Amino acid sequence: DTEVTQTPKHLVMGMTNKKSLKCEQHMGHRAMYWYKQKAKKPPELMFVYSYEKLSINESVPSRFSPECPNSSLLNLHLHALQPEDSALYLCASSQDTGSRASTNEKLFFGSGTQLSVL
Amino acid sequence: DQQVKQNSPSLSVQEGRISILNCDYTNSMFDYFLWYKKYPAEGPTFLISISSIKDKNEDGRFTVFLNKSAKHLSLHIVPSQPGDSAVYFCAAIGADGLTFGKGTHLIIQP
Repeated sequence: DTEVTQTPKHLVMGMTNKKSLKCEQHMGHRAMYWYKQKAKKPPELMFVYSYEKLSINESVPSRFSPECPNSSLLNLHLHALQPEDSALYLCASSQDTGSRASTNEKLFFGSGTQLSVL
Repeated sequence: DQQVKQNSPSLSVQEGRISILNCDYTNSMFDYFLWYKKYPAEGPTFLISISSIKDKNEDGRFTVFLNKSAKHLSLHIVPSQPGDSAVYFCAAIGADGLTFGKGTHLIIQP
């Protein structure tokens, strides 16, 4: 199994809603990531979990709250989002530690959740 | 300041010919480079990588060339096939982790 599975594929939410994005991998990878991608832009790193601990937070607003319940699961809790938060949210995993200094960061990406905030 | 640049937003190539996607970088401390391929509504897929100590890496139809003195790498796809139509992201690894270019949309024409 070389897949990273993300649910839901599409999500529409209002600015007062609370929702969660889910990500799952069963490759035994110890690092998991959340990226945000706007149309025609490269993916932007949001969070990195290494061995189930948050190792990198790229100054992401607190309305985005990551959670790593176990080594296979990664969630992104959303609350009071803004319309400009509408984007494709990508989960990824890697066998490596997920530190900034790691090399060979071969990431396996999920298909993403297309989020629209109204 | 963009550290990884893909200056061609799109590239059109005839099926069967060679596709050459280019990538330039400014940070001489990058020590590993990767290419990802992305179809619409899917996440990026790892394609091929190259360490900074090498100048060429080949995998089937895909070859990546690295010119460290020019801070330039390129991805060659030969022969190009219709399924190669996608957005290709160049990425580099340094002290700050993974940095992506903006991508090049490759269109393979029949």
